[in-house]
Amino acid sequence: SQQGEEDPQALSIQEGENATMNCSYKTSINNLQWYRQNSGRGLVHLILIRSNEREKHSGRLRVTLDTSKKSSSLLITASRAADTASYFCALPPHNTDKLIFGTGTRLQVFP
Amino acid sequence: DTEVTQTPKHLVMGMTNKKSLKCEQHMGHRAMYWYKQKAKKPPELMFVYSYEKLSINESVPSRFSPECPNSSLLNLHLHALQPEDSALYLCASSQVWETQRNEQFFGPGTRLTVL
Repeated sequence: SQQGEEDPQALSIQEGENATMNCSYKTSINNLQWYRQNSGRGLVHLILIRSNEREKHSGRLRVTLDTSKKSSSLLITASRAADTASYFCALPPHNTDKLIFGTGTRLQVFP
Repeated sequence: DTEVTQTPKHLVMGMTNKKSLKCEQHMGHRAMYWYKQKAKKPPELMFVYSYEKLSINESVPSRFSPECPNSSLLNLHLHALQPEDSALYLCASSQVWETQRNEQFFGPGTRLTVL
């Protein structure tokens, strides 16, 4: 399966701390995306990183991609209670246009 | 307008009912999607429409019937559902259906309960 495996499954931190979540996958990809989902609601696109990129930033978010290790990480710096959500990596498998979501990391940020 | 809207927000139906879920976007996107999400699981792709034509059906049972009346609207017709079909149904859209520009915009979802 092309589904990304995310680690950890759940993460609890205090406000102000950094949160790191990882996504590993098995086959080649054109790009990898990260989405956030607040409880029971729709998903919000965070970042898209292409296979020829190694790092990308957006505000407090930093995404890295290591295609040799088939892994990506999402770092949220100076976390806030509002960052509490589930975070999914999403992969369009090579030669397809489908988006397959990873298993997700549930992040809880305590005030 | 960068919003995808879905109606209704909640739906409770019996196994013999016929109902429809609706999705709308006015971003000029030409690809639209239906996903199913069970609790604490990732969304699973059901259908993809590209330029109003069905491009992907992920082996979804025929009791789910998608329809794309025009480039802004996407419906999901439901008939004779089973309790295990209870889930959050998410609609999404993207500019086009290409991997390099496949950022998807999601609606808030319809919470479906089948009794």
